[in-house]
Amino acid sequence: GAGVSQSPSNKVTEKGKDVELRCDPISGHTALYWYRQSLGQGLEFLIYFQGNSAPDKSGLPSDRFSAERTGGSVSTLTIQRTQQEDSAVYLCASSLVGGGAYEQYFGPGTRLTVT
Amino acid sequence: QKEVEQDPGPLSVPEGAIVSLNCTYSNSAFQYFMWYRQYSRKGPELLMYTYSSGNKEDGRFTAQVDKSSKYISLFIRDSQPSDSATYLCAMISNQAGTALIFGKGTTLSVSS
Repeated sequence: GAGVSQSPSNKVTEKGKDVELRCDPISGHTALYWYRQSLGQGLEFLIYFQGNSAPDKSGLPSDRFSAERTGGSVSTLTIQRTQQEDSAVYLCASSLVGGGAYEQYFGPGTRLTVT
Repeated sequence: QKEVEQDPGPLSVPEGAIVSLNCTYSNSAFQYFMWYRQYSRKGPELLMYTYSSGNKEDGRFTAQVDKSSKYISLFIRDSQPSDSATYLCAMISNQAGTALIFGKGTTLSVSS
């Protein structure tokens, strides 16, 4: 079946502009995660959605970052007033169950470059 | 101290070698221990997971967890050039609402 898909695959934007990154999870997966992968920093957790529960936003680095998940499926990560330090690969993952779910399936990521 | 420490390498070995990849961690609440493989410009893919302490084998791959030492390992036997990738350890507790905590990844290159 289809895996997690993300779009766009690459995004170049000017400092100060807003960007939207999209994630389509695997059908039927109730949990959705956003991570950021920066050079030399590894993967950092950003936000987690589980069903209709309030999202866990504890990993968002600033109030310029926000995310929503519509209809329990597609998710959009929005970065406002982008800064150069936002340049990274943004990865989305989904899993069948949330909580301590260990079997997360990742998308290919969106490579964001802020100039 | 970061929650999960992993030597970034790079690690270069000849084809057929046994590879040992390791991570240490500080949070005793971690219960699930995973190894992900990430090829260049791709998302991570789950290789293996282990619950609590012990060993798990899958083909050429063996995962070991020693909770008393807070140390996990991944062994790759008869390494192949196709094993060349970045290997990320990841951990998670049983607590609801938690996300994976990753090491920074070790870059492995297997030469033919």
